[in-house]
Amino acid sequence: EDQVTQSPEALRLQEGESSSLNCSYTVSGLRGLFWYRQDPGKGPEFLFTLYSAGEEKEKERLKATLTKKESFLHITAPKPEDSATYLCAVNRGSTLGRLYFGRGTQLTVWP
Amino acid sequence: DTGVSQNPRHKITKRGQNVTFRCDPISEHNRLYWYRQTLGQGPEFLTYFQNEAQLEKSRLLSDRFSAERPKGSFSTLEIQRTEQGDSAMYLCASSPPTLIPRKWGQGDFGANVLTFGAGSRLTVL
Repeated sequence: EDQVTQSPEALRLQEGESSSLNCSYTVSGLRGLFWYRQDPGKGPEFLFTLYSAGEEKEKERLKATLTKKESFLHITAPKPEDSATYLCAVNRGSTLGRLYFGRGTQLTVWP
Repeated sequence: DTGVSQNPRHKITKRGQNVTFRCDPISEHNRLYWYRQTLGQGPEFLTYFQNEAQLEKSRLLSDRFSAERPKGSFSTLEIQRTEQGDSAMYLCASSPPTLIPRKWGQGDFGANVLTFGAGSRLTVL
């Protein structure tokens, strides 16, 4: 079953055009929701972890938020170097580090 | 610390051959994970070690797959009698012990914060 669904699959933004990526999840006993960035040919790079509804985390132009059913990754005034695939993952609590990933959102920011 | 290192980065093999991948985790991390990623998909969990003990294996890990982590340091993932469906990126990740002081906003579940290697891409012809 799909436990993590990300939308949209692909997003093209002009530089400076803010937007949000969505991650919806259907797991009980959430023990953390994670955002990773992945560049082509590389492994995922950790961005944020969120543990409870209402929690927010920020890093440069990125801000992650969490509700009881979904998480958003807000990108403010993106730059071309923000182009990457953004992956959302959850830990259900059975095993720390066993993450269930979504398929990702491929973000392209053009100048 | 150079992060998580994986070798080889690319491997092309013929169907039926055996292949082995190596992962060197971050030295102070006691947990090591193997994931598999196919094109257009997110990574999928394969197996997990805490120190030298293999504690969990996914149903994706068929009997042709074997992973080891001797002495709790580096790990190897071997695939025997490769099939075309094994073509994928094999990712290794490591994480620190469960209870760590709050650092960078990560909280107490440091074990959930995985540092991935660059991956080993397997192509089976």
